[in-house]
Amino acid sequence: NAGVTQTPKFQVLKTGQSMTLQCAQDMNHEYMSWYRQDPGMGLRLIHYSVGAGITDQGEVPNGYNVSRSTTEDFPLRLLSAAPSQTSVYFCASSASISAGADTQYFGPGTRLTVL
Amino acid sequence: GDSVTQMEGPVTLSEEAFLTINCTYTATGYPSLFWYVQYPGEGLQLLLKATKADDKGSNKGFEATYRKETTSFHLEKGSVQVSDSAVYFCAEGGNEKLTFGTGTRLTIIP
Repeated sequence: NAGVTQTPKFQVLKTGQSMTLQCAQDMNHEYMSWYRQDPGMGLRLIHYSVGAGITDQGEVPNGYNVSRSTTEDFPLRLLSAAPSQTSVYFCASSASISAGADTQYFGPGTRLTVL
Repeated sequence: GDSVTQMEGPVTLSEEAFLTINCTYTATGYPSLFWYVQYPGEGLQLLLKATKADDKGSNKGFEATYRKETTSFHLEKGSVQVSDSAVYFCAEGGNEKLTFGTGTRLTIIP
């Protein structure tokens, strides 16, 4: 199993550009999440999904969109990039509570710089 | 909302020293508690977890005990190694959402 994969590893954008950060998992996990990591602030939840077709907002959702059309994929879209979105983005997945699981597994991250 | 407070870093120790990184949480009830570790240039890896009061999580010589009475989950290791140098995050929650502390950068010098 590859686990949780993210692409790209690095990205530089100009203010106002849009892009999609890709996330995929091959563990058949129901739950998937996006976090951003900023210095001195730990990780903060952006959006999460409890299954295909179901998404919800986390702590810092503004400026980001998500959709979940398949169990495997959970892309994060930046509609109009701003310098405040410069961060490292992590995708995570976990199995369902009914499966007795409560642990999230993280991808390697995408480092995004917005100029 | 819920929050997690962990010891401010950075922390620098000599090899074979004893390590404690404090962590407290505010969530009510019985959330699952986690320690994640991030090595330089990598993502987060689960180090250990505990899911109910008085549970002890352990892995790679690290331990943490779920203390409901003090809402704490302090990380300890009896003898640290240079390879333990990393950033350590305490977190509470579960499948849908994790609330993280700000992270503690640990550097071990030979």
